Amino acid sequence: NAGVMQNPRHLVRRRGQEARLRCSPMKGHSHVYWYRQLPEEGLKFMVYLQKENIIDESGMPKERFSAEFPKEGPSILRIQQVVRGDSAAYFCASSPTGGANNSPLHFGNGTRLTVT
Amino acid sequence: AQSVSQHNHHVILSEAASLELGCNYSYGGTVNLFWYVQYPGQHLQLLLKYFSGDPLVKGIKGFEAEFIKSKFSFNLRKPSVQWSDTAEYFCAAKAAGNKLTFGGGTRVLVKP
Repeated sequence: NAGVMQNPRHLVRRRGQEARLRCSPMKGHSHVYWYRQLPEEGLKFMVYLQKENIIDESGMPKERFSAEFPKEGPSILRIQQVVRGDSAAYFCASSPTGGANNSPLHFGNGTRLTVT
Repeated sequence: AQSVSQHNHHVILSEAASLELGCNYSYGGTVNLFWYVQYPGQHLQLLLKYFSGDPLVKGIKGFEAEFIKSKFSFNLRKPSVQWSDTAEYFCAAKAAGNKLTFGGGTRVLVKP
């Protein structure tokens, strides 16, 4: 049973370009979470999605960031017009249920974004 | 707002020493608590979790944590660390229906 798959593992973008980060949840998981880990900081929640729905995007910056989890295919975190401050590790996690408490999150290996 | 705080950002200790990492959360009501570990270059892995019942929780790799409701704490312990325990440790909390909130992490360096 494959775990949470994220790609690419490393992504380098110049300022102003777009970054697309992909996450395929574990089989049977329909809830996806995105977290950002900045250097020397902990993980900050960004967004929580179910298939075709954004449930909680309270951690998403208001501009340039968007996320989707379509009916078919992986979840995508999209960052438009990247700036140096977007450089971070972005982790995706999934769970079989979202509201239920007894479902720990399973994390992917992360995508390390570097903006030059 | 819900929050999780970890007392130490960095801990350095020698092999065979005992480890205790502090974690406090700021929820009222029912909360589920977790400790995750991130080894260098790897993803987060679940060490242990508390949902209900016995407040002393045993996890993998010899770790345990104690939930003290009156102190809003969930400290992680290991009686005797190994060099391979060098990692970053994250405490996390989740209230019903809410997102998982992480503490700032504690980097542990175990010297051989």
